[in-house]
Amino acid sequence: EAQVTQNPRYLITVTGKKLTVTCSQNMNHEYMSWYRQDPGLGLRQIYYSMNVEVTDKGDVPEGYKVSRKEKRNFPLILESPSPNQTSLYFCASSPLDRVQSPLHFGNGTRLTVT
Amino acid sequence: DAKTTQPNSMESNEEEPVHLPCNHSTISGTDYIHWYRQLPSQGPEYVIHGLTSNVNNRMASLAIAEDRKSSTLILHRATLRDAAVYYCILRAINNAGNMLTFGGGTRLMVKP
Repeated sequence: EAQVTQNPRYLITVTGKKLTVTCSQNMNHEYMSWYRQDPGLGLRQIYYSMNVEVTDKGDVPEGYKVSRKEKRNFPLILESPSPNQTSLYFCASSPLDRVQSPLHFGNGTRLTVT
Repeated sequence: DAKTTQPNSMESNEEEPVHLPCNHSTISGTDYIHWYRQLPSQGPEYVIHGLTSNVNNRMASLAIAEDRKSSTLILHRATLRDAAVYYCILRAINNAGNMLTFGGGTRLMVKP
């Protein structure tokens, strides 16, 4: 089944403790992206990647890192999480071989930083 | 990408048609109109998209105004499983998916 898989679904951590949220897609998509969703603010893009070893900042990149060493994986790294990074995170992917390809989203990771 | 305006919420009865409006008065000539929906505890899911002509697929229909300043997502027979938040977004022609504006969307409630 074609899908974007995020892990974990829920994560509670403390301020300053490094964490990684994984994202994997099995559709051979070139484009991958991370978003955070907060009440009243909609979805905001954190980072995106157009292909392996190509990443760029989105709208709200501060406090986050990403890497794209393989086509299928696009982990989101919080080196020193803070309470304002408590949010619902979504990973998405799409192919780049045609214009306006739909985005495929994962089911989200709910992160709480205390 | 230009912004869109949608009602915060709408209600519908099960098995009746639903028309979800979206205003996008500042749309540019190369912006596509996309609709996504987000079911509870899930990520957004693609529904449909179009440029100028009306579009149909197995999930819904998209009616686009002649001046393209508004569009309507039509669910022909609402079911309880269609209860979700529906997002109307604009996406420039060569935009791979960057900086898309998912605003508040319309929360659709379906009554049995």
